[in-house]
Amino acid sequence: AQSVAQPEDQVNVAEGNPLTVKCTYSVSGNPYLFWYVQYPNRGLQFLLKYITGDNLVKGSYGFEAEFNKSQTSFHLKKPSALVSDSALYFCAVREAISGGYNKLIFGAGTRLAVHP
Amino acid sequence: GAVVSQHPSRVICKSGTSVKIECRSLDFQATTMFWYRQFPKQSLMLMATSNEGSKATYEQGVEKDKFLINHASLTLSTLTVTSAHPEDSSFYICSARRTGKDGYTFGSGTRLTVV
Repeated sequence: AQSVAQPEDQVNVAEGNPLTVKCTYSVSGNPYLFWYVQYPNRGLQFLLKYITGDNLVKGSYGFEAEFNKSQTSFHLKKPSALVSDSALYFCAVREAISGGYNKLIFGAGTRLAVHP
Repeated sequence: GAVVSQHPSRVICKSGTSVKIECRSLDFQATTMFWYRQFPKQSLMLMATSNEGSKATYEQGVEKDKFLINHASLTLSTLTVTSAHPEDSSFYICSARRTGKDGYTFGSGTRLTVV
């Protein structure tokens, strides 16, 4: 079964500093990886995904993620954090299910707190 | 862009009653809908996957008779929590996969409180 792990429950960073939210994966075959953000009492918003191609994936709101096959990681990054980036971030991997369909398996989530 | 409308956003119901949550894909056809449950400060737990016109596939440990899922059209899926109990109180989120696309669009979630 596919899985992702987010080793940090919370990440604290000062506004203007670079941020990294970590994710490692365990898959059989080629990984299809995603990052989502969730604000309080809201659904998830898509940030970016890796299917194939360049290891550096650029996404929404200035976020990017680096796919590293040797380290089985897909860390989310942003060069300069904003207070408004404070939210819950989920890494996810796509898993094939019966009938030719797919589902997303989510990590435990990492709470990002950006301080002024 | 793809939008999924989920209603209601919040609902409070009495123990023993049933609650229906709707998810509609507003500007696209959703071949597959996913229903998740999220406990406070925890990740999303997939409850079931439904494909238009067929029975939902439930994840292990999810009671089919308690969480009824209907996906009657390519734009509407419903989750009915039957005979709700306080332990069913949670945040429920739907997600839709566009026909022929890799993307997943999430609804804004429903906070269910059973009293």
